[in-house]
Amino acid sequence: SQQGEEDPQALSIQEGENATMNCSYKTSINNLQWYRQNSGRGLVHLILIRSNEREKHSGRLRVTLDTSKKSSSLLITASRAADTASYFCATDGWVGGGADGLTFGKGTHLIIQP
Amino acid sequence: KAGVTQTPRYLIKTRGQQVTLSCSPISGHRSVSWYQQTPGQGLQFLFEYFSETQRNKGNFPGRFSGRQFSNSRSEMNVSTLELGDSALYLCASSSIGGIGANNSPLHFGNGTRLTVT
Repeated sequence: SQQGEEDPQALSIQEGENATMNCSYKTSINNLQWYRQNSGRGLVHLILIRSNEREKHSGRLRVTLDTSKKSSSLLITASRAADTASYFCATDGWVGGGADGLTFGKGTHLIIQP
Repeated sequence: KAGVTQTPRYLIKTRGQQVTLSCSPISGHRSVSWYQQTPGQGLQFLFEYFSETQRNKGNFPGRFSGRQFSNSRSEMNVSTLELGDSALYLCASSSIGGIGANNSPLHFGNGTRLTVT
């Protein structure tokens, strides 16, 4: 079953604008990760935020985590055409009652218009 | 360091056949996880191997199996292929295994695109 659900499913913005994607999850977690996937390729790790952290930055990326609402957001500032990709959140929650690996959401497809 | 390498890149098989996919992790990484990605179900965890032992397993039928060798290279096998097995199969490596693998970044290969006809 899907643990994380990203919102929106698709997002199209102009180059230079900021892009915000949201992720909601269902169970308690130790950490939440964000990954990027370019069409037909593997996933690239972007950032990991632990459950005791509220905000984390990495370059143009800013991630927030609200464990009380079971939600996270990924902000990409000053977007570039190269940011066009699908973005996934992944959690380590024990959805199936055991260590089931990471559980990924369905992703947000981000398109940056030049 | 070389990244995670998956072979082959593309594969076309017929229903009922079996297939073996290969994954070479980043040098020094002892944990290898496998994920299936489909448009309908998204990314789903198959299994994870650490030091040649299967540590975790997802909710897939027994037709899906894997193994890991002493050099940390891993293979996954799917027997009696079904049309629904068509997917992108992704392998990921981590320096930490088991539950710890979920607390560190995964390094993914570019996947094997399997088409079952």
